[in-house]
Amino acid sequence: EAGVAQSPRYKIIEKRQSVAFWCNPISGHATLYWYQQILGQGPKLLIQFQNNGVVDDSQLPKDRFSAERLKGVDSTLKIQPAKLEDSAVYLCASSPGPGYEQYFGPGTRLTVT
Amino acid sequence: QKEVEQDPGPLSVPEGAIVSLNCTYSNSAFQYFMWYRQYSRKGPELLMYTYSSGNKEDGRFTAQVDKSSKYISLFIRDSQPSDSATYLCAMKVDSSYKLIFGSGTRLLVRP
Repeated sequence: EAGVAQSPRYKIIEKRQSVAFWCNPISGHATLYWYQQILGQGPKLLIQFQNNGVVDDSQLPKDRFSAERLKGVDSTLKIQPAKLEDSAVYLCASSPGPGYEQYFGPGTRLTVT
Repeated sequence: QKEVEQDPGPLSVPEGAIVSLNCTYSNSAFQYFMWYRQYSRKGPELLMYTYSSGNKEDGRFTAQVDKSSKYISLFIRDSQPSDSATYLCAMKVDSSYKLIFGSGTRLLVRP
């Protein structure tokens, strides 16, 4: 079974630029999560989708971050404009449904200079 | 005060040692407790999952939950160099609630 795919794996941008990350969850998984993991910290949930609807985006900085999951499969997370403090690993995870085990992708490491 | 506290380490042990990793938490509503292992440049993977209090064993790994003390532990017996990773505890209030992670403890098992 293929795991959660993410791209790109690494991205370096200057502050105030925009960036987008892509996630392809495990086939059939209805729930998709985006996490932010700052160096030395645990993952923090940014947004949770159930199919193509948002379940929880309470910790998403909506003035600069946006996410979508069209057709309930792939998802993109966008940052516009980026700040230095956005430097982190952005992890995508998926699960068959809420409450089931979450399977994480390898993450996208973002460096904002 | 963070909801979940975890010593960042690093914890360095010789191969074969018993490892004890711990987390404390402040929210008494947490019911589900998990341990994740994260290798460098990889995403976390679930190791152990425990509901409420008690012990759970899986091979060389034992998870303990003491809700009265708001304290959870992961024990690794006969530690191997391949166990070298960051161990994250995570917990949630109910089965479909969001996970709250600790900051992780970095473990190094020396050959």
